[in-house]
Amino acid sequence: IAGITQAPTSQILAAGRRMTLRCTQDMRHNAMYWYRQDLGLGLRLIHYSNTAGTTGKGEVPDGYSVSRANTDDFPLTLASAVPSQTSVYFCASSDSSLSRATDTQYFGPGTRLTVL
Amino acid sequence: GQNIDQPTEMTATEGAIVQINCTYQTSGFNGLFWYQQHAGEAPTFLSYNVLDGLEEKGRFSSFLSRSKGYSYLLLKELQMKDSASYLCAVLDSNYQLIWGAGTKLIIKP
Repeated sequence: IAGITQAPTSQILAAGRRMTLRCTQDMRHNAMYWYRQDLGLGLRLIHYSNTAGTTGKGEVPDGYSVSRANTDDFPLTLASAVPSQTSVYFCASSDSSLSRATDTQYFGPGTRLTVL
Repeated sequence: GQNIDQPTEMTATEGAIVQINCTYQTSGFNGLFWYQQHAGEAPTFLSYNVLDGLEEKGRFSSFLSRSKGYSYLLLKELQMKDSASYLCAVLDSNYQLIWGAGTKLIIKP
């Protein structure tokens, strides 16, 4: 593995079904993020994790949950999918520290999710 | 509220120069990023500015004026492969990235 991987690449899901999007990084970055990207809108932060064992809510957290059991993995779960969750989902990571004023984020290839 | 503004779409000619502007209003400022995103792909890092002035990196340059809440990305000697969306993002006082909607750049031969 090099960088960030996401799975699946794409998925069509019936409304009401549960779905977990997977994200794995091998850069040993402490911070990880989940975004959704919709046409005409900027990337919107769903949840983030500054370090293993901690998570936080972003701009649009409702209907989503995350966990960060270790440094490498940051799965995103939709407990009961709804059509408004149709989007492209990007996972990202960064080697961020409050002692540095940079937070360059590196993105995975994305998961295209359609909820019918 | 926090806001990042960029033009929705721009068109330029191969070999020419184009400037993509970004204005921002955020709670605090810890730097401004530009990312490139080709259609159907992930965003990739282009530049980071935290101090006023121009940062040059090959054909791409990025400028920042913190007092004006303004940045631009300058692309020179445009190539067809530069056709992409360009995303402006600001790191706010909580070290969260606030993203603009992106500027779709169309390059014509």
